[in-house]
Amino acid sequence: EPEVTQTPSHQVTQMGQEVILRCVPISNHLYFYWYRQILGQKVEFLVSFYNNEISEKSEIFDDQFSVERPDGSNFTLKIRSTKLEDSAMYFCASSQNWGDQPQHFGDGTRLSIL
Amino acid sequence: EDKVVQSPLSLVVHEGDTVTLNCSYEVTNFRSLLWYKQEKKAPTFLFMLTSSGIEKKSGRLSSILDKKELFSILNITATQTGDSAVYLCAVPYSGAGSYQLTFGKGTKLSVIP
Repeated sequence: EPEVTQTPSHQVTQMGQEVILRCVPISNHLYFYWYRQILGQKVEFLVSFYNNEISEKSEIFDDQFSVERPDGSNFTLKIRSTKLEDSAMYFCASSQNWGDQPQHFGDGTRLSIL
Repeated sequence: EDKVVQSPLSLVVHEGDTVTLNCSYEVTNFRSLLWYKQEKKAPTFLFMLTSSGIEKKSGRLSSILDKKELFSILNITATQTGDSAVYLCAVPYSGAGSYQLTFGKGTKLSVIP
C-alpha cells in the first residue's frame, strides 16, 4: 500500500540553526499537510499546501516556518532559526483531494533542539 | 473554537475484553469525523464517518457517528495486545481552501495478556 515517507526519522540541532524536514507524499495525492506533536500533547495543524501554494496556516506557523515543493515528489518544511520549543514530532500528511478524503500520515521526524 | 474531546484518556483492559472509546465534538460546518490509531509513530487511518447511524466495520473494530448528539464511538471487540495504542479522533475544520484536522488528546489503550 502506498505510504507517506519522511526523512530523517530523528534530527538533533542546536538552537538557532536551520532545519529542513523532508516528506514524500503518496504519488497521486494533491493536498499536503504538516502537523506537529509536542511530547504528551495533541497533534496540531501547522500548514496545508495545494497547487504550489499555502492554502491555510495556523498561528503556530509563523515567519520562521516555510514549506516548499521543490520537485514533483518532495514536500519540505523549513524552520529558519530553531528554538527550544520547536522540539516535537513533525508529521507530514497527504490526501487525494480536498473534502471528504482521509489524510494519510508519515512516520514523523522527531526534532530535538539543544 | 472547534473542540474535540475524547474519553477516557486512558484505559487498561485484559485480552479478550471489549472496549468502547468516546469522542465528542463541537465544530462549525461539520463534514466528517476520523479515527486514527497511533502506535509509536504515524497515526494510521481507521475510519471516516460522515453519516449518522451507519456503522463502519473493519475486523474487530467498528465505529458509529451520532450527528444529533455530536459524538462518535469506536468499539474494539476481543481485544489483543496488538490493539495497544493511542486512538485519536479528529474532525476537519472546513476553513476556506483547507481541510486541516483538529485532533482530540487521544485515548491510550493498554491491553494486557
